[in-house]
Amino acid sequence: QTVVTQEPSFSVSPGGTVTLTCGLSSGSVSTSYYPSWYQQTPGQAPRTLIYSTNTRSSGVPDRFSGSILGNKAALTITGAQADDESDYFCVLYMRSGIVVFGGGTKLTVL
Amino acid sequence: QVQLQESGPGLVQPSQTLSLTCTVSGGSISSGAYYWTWIRQHPGKGLEWIGHLYYSGSNYYNPSLKSRVTISVDTSKNQFSLKLSSVTAADTAVYYCARAYSSGYYFFDYWGQGTLATVSS
Repeated sequence: QTVVTQEPSFSVSPGGTVTLTCGLSSGSVSTSYYPSWYQQTPGQAPRTLIYSTNTRSSGVPDRFSGSILGNKAALTITGAQADDESDYFCVLYMRSGIVVFGGGTKLTVL
Repeated sequence: QVQLQESGPGLVQPSQTLSLTCTVSGGSISSGAYYWTWIRQHPGKGLEWIGHLYYSGSNYYNPSLKSRVTISVDTSKNQFSLKLSSVTAADTAVYYCARAYSSGYYFFDYWGQGTLATVSS
């Protein structure tokens, strides 16, 4: 069974930079998995941040960026703000046609 | 602006079938390049992809749920539906419907607000 891995939690200072990652339990993440990233605050539906590795969704500030770092997909927040404190989920599209969510990263800004 | 809205009973008896409907407005469910998707989130947990359906009928399901899941589409009503059979308390979750753009790449571009389905007697 495919497992998509994310850091369970991360902390960043206001104004700081943080990079969250999205990996595979077996193998490397590449652009062909079309990694996408979503932000979710409690009680709300997820919000789309990044798709196709590094394309920002409409209205997403440019302090959010996506990339491939080594064998993982990555979401970098540059100049973190208080309202970036959220859960972040990555999604990978598998060659088999199924879709897998990462377990999510709880980001604290303090 | 595309909008999705989930509807269905909030309480389901154990061993019964959970049935939810997602109504799509602001766009046609018969448009190409989209997979119509169900996702769930157990209380306090992460997101779980249940499955998706192309309007013409081809579908893919999460292997862990495949034996109990059916996703179908009603193009005349611009709706798609989820049926999850033989439910237990472990199926208690917020269920989201979403549209997945799937031409050249894949991502969820629109989400419903989610509906809580509780399995309990």
